[in-house]
Amino acid sequence: SYVLTQPPSVSVAPGKTARITCGGNNIGSQSVHWYQQKPGQAPVLVIYYDSDRPSGIPERFSGSNSGNTATLTISRVEAGDEADYYCQVWDSRSDLVVFGGGTKLTVL
Amino acid sequence: QVQLQESGPGLVKPSQTLSLTCTVSGGSISSGGYYWSWIRQPAGKGLEWIGRIYTTGSTNYNPSLKSRVTISVDTSKNQFSLKLSSVTAADTAVYYCARESLMVRGVIFYYFDYWGQGTLVTVSS
Repeated sequence: SYVLTQPPSVSVAPGKTARITCGGNNIGSQSVHWYQQKPGQAPVLVIYYDSDRPSGIPERFSGSNSGNTATLTISRVEAGDEADYYCQVWDSRSDLVVFGGGTKLTVL
Repeated sequence: QVQLQESGPGLVKPSQTLSLTCTVSGGSISSGGYYWSWIRQPAGKGLEWIGRIYTTGSTNYNPSLKSRVTISVDTSKNQFSLKLSSVTAADTAVYYCARESLMVRGVIFYYFDYWGQGTLVTVSS
């Protein structure tokens, strides 16, 4: 089955840029979606179709996807961005949903 | 605004069947272009997709759980349900229901745009 690999943790200072990666075999050929989950809350979609933002998501959130790595970029990081972030794809070959293991973003 | 709400017992005994229902409001579960999914998350761990159902009743399940999972839909009540049999402590988790939207932009893809708040199910005697 398809596997998505994320770093367990990423740390960044306020005002800086955070980059969270999601690795997968030829992931650039997949559509990648990203979710933010704060403690005790349900996940929230922050990026879909590699780089599109749902309404209400700040422009500071952006995404890219190429080769074997998809990346969620958060610019001008704020304390409120501290959360777990998950990447997700739909593997069309198996018709299954796959989540990455999640990355905990810590704002220093 | 679509809303999803999970309901069901918060405590299930080992070897028994876990049963949860997700009630959808603000939209019809019969509308085309959406899958209705169950996802779980053990405490301190990541998200695990359990399976999904389309309004026609067509299902897909996570292979790791497939032998124990049944997802069904009741369009008359605007609900879909999860049954997980032969549960053990490893099935203790927060269970979420979610809507998966279909989009076509040259390629077909699905993403989760609405989630329930989640419900904690503990497996213990």
